Amino acid sequence: QKEVEQNSGPLSVPEGAIASLNCTYSDRGSQSFFWYRQYSGKSPELIMSIYSNGDKEDGRFTAQLNKASQYVSLLIRDSQPSDSATYLCAVLGVGQNFVFGPGTRLSVLP
Amino acid sequence: DVKVTQSSRYLVKRTGEKVFLECVQDMDHENMFWYRQDPGLGLRLIYFSYDVKMKEKGDIPEGYSVSREKKERFSLILESASTNQTSMYLCASSARGNMYEQYFGPGTRLTVT
Repeated sequence: QKEVEQNSGPLSVPEGAIASLNCTYSDRGSQSFFWYRQYSGKSPELIMSIYSNGDKEDGRFTAQLNKASQYVSLLIRDSQPSDSATYLCAVLGVGQNFVFGPGTRLSVLP
Repeated sequence: DVKVTQSSRYLVKRTGEKVFLECVQDMDHENMFWYRQDPGLGLRLIYFSYDVKMKEKGDIPEGYSVSREKKERFSLILESASTNQTSMYLCASSARGNMYEQYFGPGTRLTVT
């Protein structure tokens, strides 16, 4: 089992819709969770971090964490074509083991 | 703004050559990282450094070495390049208190023929 799993996509949503990106992880002791966005041909950039169960909102982005079920998700409200990118989930596990998922490609259709 | 720069965007080398990839950050960050990114495999950590002259192996250090002689500069060395080292190489840095909130450079696409 891979340590951090994401659906590779592409996930296609119409402009204005909510995009929901999911990530599951295997290390039950994981404490910190991050979402990075990577535009095609560019390097990743950090957009959200979450450390405790529940929701964390930042503008149009909401990160959701459920440690009992070992998943973390990213919701993008009012999706825009400029949100089209690959979204990488990263998890800090036990022993400072920091692992990126393979990423989900999001396509927002005008 | 944090700025992380890498010496080359594209590099083509022959099998067996020694390859140097350079990374420089201008935000006085203590931590620096080298990753490679391959389709379907995501980002994999090669080496990281939390201080000058300090280094730690990541998940895939075989075939690579690193050097950190100055705080702002972290070099990745491929001692004898092989075709399976063809990849996108990404450097990142972070502050001591936020090790995993990383800032990435633009990447170097290395092709080994």
